[in-house]
Amino acid sequence: NAGVTQTPKFQVLKTGQSMTLQCAQDMNHEYMSWYRQDPGMGLRLIHYSVGAGITDQGEVPNGYNVSRSTTEDFPLRLLSAAPSQTSVYFCASSSWTSAGTDTQYFGPGTRLTVL
Amino acid sequence: TQLLEQSPQFLSIQEGENLTVYCNSSSVFSSLQWYRQEPGEGPVLLVTVVTGGEVKKLKRLTFQFGDARKDSSLHITAAQPGDTGLYLCAGRSSNTGKLIFGQGTTLQVKP
Repeated sequence: NAGVTQTPKFQVLKTGQSMTLQCAQDMNHEYMSWYRQDPGMGLRLIHYSVGAGITDQGEVPNGYNVSRSTTEDFPLRLLSAAPSQTSVYFCASSSWTSAGTDTQYFGPGTRLTVL
Repeated sequence: TQLLEQSPQFLSIQEGENLTVYCNSSSVFSSLQWYRQEPGEGPVLLVTVVTGGEVKKLKRLTFQFGDARKDSSLHITAAQPGDTGLYLCAGRSSNTGKLIFGQGTTLQVKP
């Protein structure tokens, strides 16, 4: 199993450009999420999905769109990139135990710079 | 907005020393997790604690969940250079069910 894969690993954009960050998992997990990580702020939830066709907003959704057409894929779209979106982006998928707790598996991240 | 405050933010110690990282909130969590992240990689789950007062041990790492389920600590005994990394706590909100991360503690263990 590859686990959670993310592409690209690095990206530089100009202000106003759009792009899609790709995320895929091969563990058949229903729950997937996108986070951004900024220095001194931990990880903040952008969007999440509890299954194909179902998405919802997290803590910092503005400027980002998601869709979930398959269980495996959960792309994150930046509509019009802004310097404030310079960050490291992590995708995660989760499995749930019978005790009701979850294990999140994170991808390696995409390092995005917006000039 | 629910917050998880981690302290200290940075810690630089010598190999063999002990250390404790704290994670505090005014909110109650149904569970709390600790992750470790190495440079250039995603966080990796170390442990999940769910019961107030629960203590879990993972080799030289001891995790404790506060009795009121509002705080947690991570204690490392005889730290090794391989323990170097970013440690993140994350609490599952009892109200919203969402996972909230602390700011992280960067640990450097010098040989």
